[in-house]
Amino acid sequence: LAKTTQPISMDSYEGQEVNITCSHNNIATNDYITWYQQFPSQGPRFIIQGYKTKVTNEVASLFIPADRKSSTLSLPRVSLSDTAVYYCLVVGRTYKYIFGTGTRLKVLA
Amino acid sequence: DAGVIQSPRHEVTEMGQEVTLRCKPISGHNSLFWYRQTMMRGLELLIYFNNNVPIDDSGMPEDRFSAKMPNASFSTLKIQPSEPRDSAVYFCASRSSRRSDSNQPQHFGDGTRLSIL
Repeated sequence: LAKTTQPISMDSYEGQEVNITCSHNNIATNDYITWYQQFPSQGPRFIIQGYKTKVTNEVASLFIPADRKSSTLSLPRVSLSDTAVYYCLVVGRTYKYIFGTGTRLKVLA
Repeated sequence: DAGVIQSPRHEVTEMGQEVTLRCKPISGHNSLFWYRQTMMRGLELLIYFNNNVPIDDSGMPEDRFSAKMPNASFSTLKIQPSEPRDSAVYFCASRSSRRSDSNQPQHFGDGTRLSIL
């Protein structure tokens, strides 16, 4: 089974924009991309999802290039409360519901 | 709306004992997932159900693990006998996978922290 690939960790400062990229080279035609956020002692929480191009909601943007082999989660102006682990999950035939290792984001004051 | 409800939140038991974890999915959701999370292995999918039927149980570690979904509002994950290496946080998630609700995300409970001594 294929697994997504993300950086293990990232540091950022408050107020900066953070971009986390996920690689999913084996994505199939009907698969779609979701991102989750997880705080300690809590379950993962859905942030955003998309199929292609760009999706934006009140907390994040998701950029997906034409070949769909990667995706980038963009968090505008992060705050200390955005410190968490962020997971990319590709849902569909190839990746099913398998989570990758996630990216541990630490926001510094 | 109530989210996914898991019980107990914490469980500490001795090796060899039977452990039963419970999950109540969000009302109206027809897919249910069990995950296990450890520092070493991250989030692992154990099994998932569609319309109460197990679809993929390839992630279930071994015969000591079993999962059931007797109805749309309840599922159990049982470990018998339990071993120290089963210590982890177990998450349940649910989603709607009906065609009319295309691409709905999973909603996770807050997990059961299991410690086997």
